Amino acid sequence: DAGVIQSPRHEVTEMGQEVTLRCKPISGHNSLFWYRQTMMRGLELLIYFNNNVPIDDSGMPEDRFSAKMPNASFSTLKIQPSEPRDSAVYFCASSFGGSSRGYTFGSGTRLTVV
Amino acid sequence: TQLLEQSPQFLSIQEGENLTVYCNSSSVFSSLQWYRQEPGEGPVLLVTVVTGGEVKKLKRLTFQFGDARKDSSLHITAAQPGDTGLYLCAGVKDSSYKLIFGSGTRLLVRP
Repeated sequence: DAGVIQSPRHEVTEMGQEVTLRCKPISGHNSLFWYRQTMMRGLELLIYFNNNVPIDDSGMPEDRFSAKMPNASFSTLKIQPSEPRDSAVYFCASSFGGSSRGYTFGSGTRLTVV
Repeated sequence: TQLLEQSPQFLSIQEGENLTVYCNSSSVFSSLQWYRQEPGEGPVLLVTVVTGGEVKKLKRLTFQFGDARKDSSLHITAAQPGDTGLYLCAGVKDSSYKLIFGSGTRLLVRP
């Protein structure tokens, strides 16, 4: 199993540009999570999908952020327009059967908005 | 305010030393997980503890869940440079899907 795959690994973009982060969860996992990690705030849950349906997006900071999961093997997190304060490492994680079995995280996308 | 407070925030020790990191909360959790994160990578699950008072061992790592299920500790015996990383505890409340992560303990083991 290749694990959770995220792309790109690094993204540098100018303020105001659209950014799209991608995630391929582990096959068979029915839950997908997007997290953001910064030194100041640690790991923050942005959105949670179960069986491709968004269940909780209360962690999405602003309307500039949106996430989709068109099928069980693919999800995107989009920021439009991006701002310097969005700079962080964004992680995708997947699991089967909820949180009690633990999450498998991807390697993350380091986003820098200049 | 962090729901799960970890201490210490930073720890730098010599290879061969023992150490304990703590994860504390005023809330009760149905289970608690420990992850280790290395630079440039995502967190990797080490263990899940479910029962109050439970102790689990993973080679040189010993994990304990508090009797009241509000706190946990991780003890490393004879630390090695390969133990270097960010240690995160994460709690699950009731039947929630949400993992609530602590602030992390950054460990450096010097050779």
